[in-house]
Amino acid sequence: DIQMTQSPSSLSASVGDRVTITCRASQSVDRYLIWYQQKPGKVPKLLIYSASSLQSGVPLRFSGSGSGTDFTLTINSLQPEDFATYYCQQTYTTPYTFGQGTKLEIK
Amino acid sequence: QVQLVESGGGEVQPGRSLRLSCVASGYTFNKYGMHWVRQPPGKGLEWVALIWFDGSSKYYADSVKGRFTISRDNSKNTVYLQMNSLRAEDTAVYYCARGGDYYDSSGSLDPWGQGTLVTVSS
Repeated sequence: DIQMTQSPSSLSASVGDRVTITCRASQSVDRYLIWYQQKPGKVPKLLIYSASSLQSGVPLRFSGSGSGTDFTLTINSLQPEDFATYYCQQTYTTPYTFGQGTKLEIK
Repeated sequence: QVQLVESGGGEVQPGRSLRLSCVASGYTFNKYGMHWVRQPPGKGLEWVALIWFDGSSKYYADSVKGRFTISRDNSKNTVYLQMNSLRAEDTAVYYCARGGDYYDSSGSLDPWGQGTLVTVSS
């Protein structure tokens, strides 16, 4: 199975900051990498697919990059509603594993 | 709009069975693969299973293989998860999610249902 490792596991930042979350795969997943956002008590929401394609309706301050084994999610100019947990997921091969999550908290 | 509604969760004793259902609306159900994903209380997401648009292929996480079965009834716009030999570690909120269309099994999971809680406890 492909292991997905996110770093950091938690992150404190302030409104207006730029943050980057990293996701590393144990083997190449090409560009089959997805990012989700989950707020407490809520359902996961699709942010980015195919490593860098922004889902319709997602603010432009979110961006994704990478291919192969190393990927990043960047949030520019953090807004109060961005404080949540972020997950990466590979859909290159089953089982479609998730990273352990990165909790983004307000500093 | 696209909507997924899960049902069938509840509390069950270890070793028993439970069947979850997920009814889809707002799109052509038989064009899309469907996933089940679970989330133990306070923990991260775990992908559980995928079924292709026509039910011809099914895939499972190692942790549930041989115990869980995913199926679908395209005439009822419904996907199921039959869970047998349940264990305490299966306790989680179970979400269904729409996958890619036709043979795009790598498509992203979107949208997700609101989830149904399964508690395995004696």
